[in-house]
Amino acid sequence: GNSVTQMEGPVTLSEEAFLTINCTYTATGYPSLFWYVQYPGEGLQLLLKATKADDKGSNKGFEATYRKETTSFHLEKGSVQVSDSAVYFCALRGSGGSNYKLTFGKGTLLTVNP
Amino acid sequence: EPEVTQTPSHQVTQMGQEVILRCVPISNHLYFYWYRQILGQKVEFLVSFYNNEISEKSEIFDDQFSVERPDGSNFTLKIRSTKLEDSAMYFCASRGIRYTEAFFGQGTRLTVV
Repeated sequence: GNSVTQMEGPVTLSEEAFLTINCTYTATGYPSLFWYVQYPGEGLQLLLKATKADDKGSNKGFEATYRKETTSFHLEKGSVQVSDSAVYFCALRGSGGSNYKLTFGKGTLLTVNP
Repeated sequence: EPEVTQTPSHQVTQMGQEVILRCVPISNHLYFYWYRQILGQKVEFLVSFYNNEISEKSEIFDDQFSVERPDGSNFTLKIRSTKLEDSAMYFCASRGIRYTEAFFGQGTRLTVV
């Protein structure tokens, strides 16, 4: 079956540091890949997505590139801010069927200190 | 901006009691989902719902669980007889035909004591 593995947290960085959160996946076919973010007290929000190999998703300074050869979708940001403190979830949607259910990773807690 | 809303934000219930978690999906969406996250664990798919019926469910979604769209706007998850291990954050999501991604609510934290 499909699965997503994220780097274990928590991750603590100083403001303006470089961020990488690793995500690898196992799936058959051609899944779509997502990063969701959960700010304190809020729901899951889509951060970015990529639907085919070599696509780069980007939003709010975050980027992730769909690498089929390494089955990865690592999240990066060049300069984090305190407001980026949140839990980040990598997820995939399988290519079969029309149900569009998501398979999530465990989430990575990011804390950015001023 | 349209959003998925869930009520209540936190519910405490005694073991064996029935609970109903409520969700109002985005109004023109047609696909509805429930996920849950036990503290410290992955967000897990429970069930998907389309055209007034369940389209897929996970092995977690046993006979204690049911879903309903009673009035064309609400989408509910019922747990008939709660167990301690049902304690989790429950997320509702909806998706429109035009979108590849689902939009999530803020979650309901269920605590079974």
